[in-house]
Amino acid sequence: AQSVTQLDSQVPVFEEAPVELRCNYSSSVSVYLFWYVQYPNQGLQLLLKYLSGSTLVESINGFEAEFNKSQTSFHLRKPSVHISDTAEYFCAVTPGYGGSQGNLIFGKGTKLSVKP
Amino acid sequence: GAGVSQTPSNKVTEKGKYVELRCDPISGHTALYWYRQSLGQGPEFLIYFQGTGAADDSGLPNDRFFAVRPEGSVSTLKIQRTERGDSAVYLCASSRGQRNEQFFGPGTRLTVL
Repeated sequence: AQSVTQLDSQVPVFEEAPVELRCNYSSSVSVYLFWYVQYPNQGLQLLLKYLSGSTLVESINGFEAEFNKSQTSFHLRKPSVHISDTAEYFCAVTPGYGGSQGNLIFGKGTKLSVKP
Repeated sequence: GAGVSQTPSNKVTEKGKYVELRCDPISGHTALYWYRQSLGQGPEFLIYFQGTGAADDSGLPNDRFFAVRPEGSVSTLKIQRTERGDSAVYLCASSRGQRNEQFFGPGTRLTVL
């Protein structure tokens, strides 16, 4: 079975500051990793994903995450945040190639609050 | 194109009543998932359909919960004898296949009084 831990429930930062949202996972098999974002009053949207290949993945709006197998982590980072990044961020995992299921296992979420 | 739609957006019911929640996936998506998100928690998997059949219903909490997808498109999540603990946002997602990106609907907020 897989599990996901998001260590911070809330992260307040000032605009243009860097931010890191932490995600650790537990799994006995290889996994695919995802970050989803939920803006206020909107549905979940995929931000970025790691399936294979380069361990550093990037989104179109400046976020990046690095898969670290030895530390079982997939932390999300952005060097300079904007007010519009205020949202709740969810880390998720699903069994990788050869796994029998595609359902996502989510962490509890981290609320990022960007202040002017 | 149209995304995943869910109806109703809000549902308030009384303890013991029966409710149905509907999900209309993106056209052509063969995989459909139901999740439940309780306050302060991440989404929790309930059931997964591939086509018309439930490929994995291991997340359904008990036999009061049931879901169908008779024609391989629209799905209905049915909850019998609702309890206050069933109050949550019920999310539906669809994808082209089991291993493709899941697109989520806006959810149905269920409140059981």
